[in-house]
Amino acid sequence: GENVEQHPSTLSVQEGDSAVIKCTYSDSASNYFPWYKQELGKRPQLIIDIRSNVGEKKDQRIAVTLNKTAKHFSLHITETQPEDSAVYFCAASTGGGNKLTFGTGTQLKVEL
Amino acid sequence: GAVVSQHPSWVICKSGTSVKIECRSLDFQATTMFWYRQFPKQSLMLMATSNEGSKATYEQGVEKDKFLINHASLTLSTLTVTSAHPEDSSFYICSAVTPGGRTEAFFGQGTRLTVV
Repeated sequence: GENVEQHPSTLSVQEGDSAVIKCTYSDSASNYFPWYKQELGKRPQLIIDIRSNVGEKKDQRIAVTLNKTAKHFSLHITETQPEDSAVYFCAASTGGGNKLTFGTGTQLKVEL
Repeated sequence: GAVVSQHPSWVICKSGTSVKIECRSLDFQATTMFWYRQFPKQSLMLMATSNEGSKATYEQGVEKDKFLINHASLTLSTLTVTSAHPEDSSFYICSAVTPGGRTEAFFGQGTRLTVV
């Protein structure tokens, strides 16, 4: 089955700096890669996703890149703010409403 | 947008008792729902895939007789934790996908189960 690895497990940045989280996946059939932000005790919230037919997607301060050949994808957050502090999960799926396999999570802390 | 509601938000039960968690799609019909378990400071681990009108598909290592899943209608899936033990204490969360093969998953708000 699919295996998704995520790094780093914790990330501390100064407000205004950029944050990058990286994930690798194992199943070449995976074609949908969402990123979720989860606050303590809350449901995961989709922040951005990318499909395998594109290499990069951007939404304001958030961007995701995908390298299908290397089977890795990354989340980039620019101009970080304290409210960006949370746990971020990457995930992979073969699409079409199929199950998601989650990465291990990254605790992001944005310090003032 | 699509809304998934999970109930209860939290529950405390005694060891040996059973607890039922409901997952409802409020504004769409979900032929497939997923149940995840999340231990503190860990990732979401898929427990099972719930299919309307048929038996659930369980992930390896998940006891189907302990975690009973019923998906009797297109808007409701239930997870029953039978004979609960303290090690079953966790955050249980469901998700559903909208019809038409869309890829985005919509999550319920989760249920914090504490077994004492």
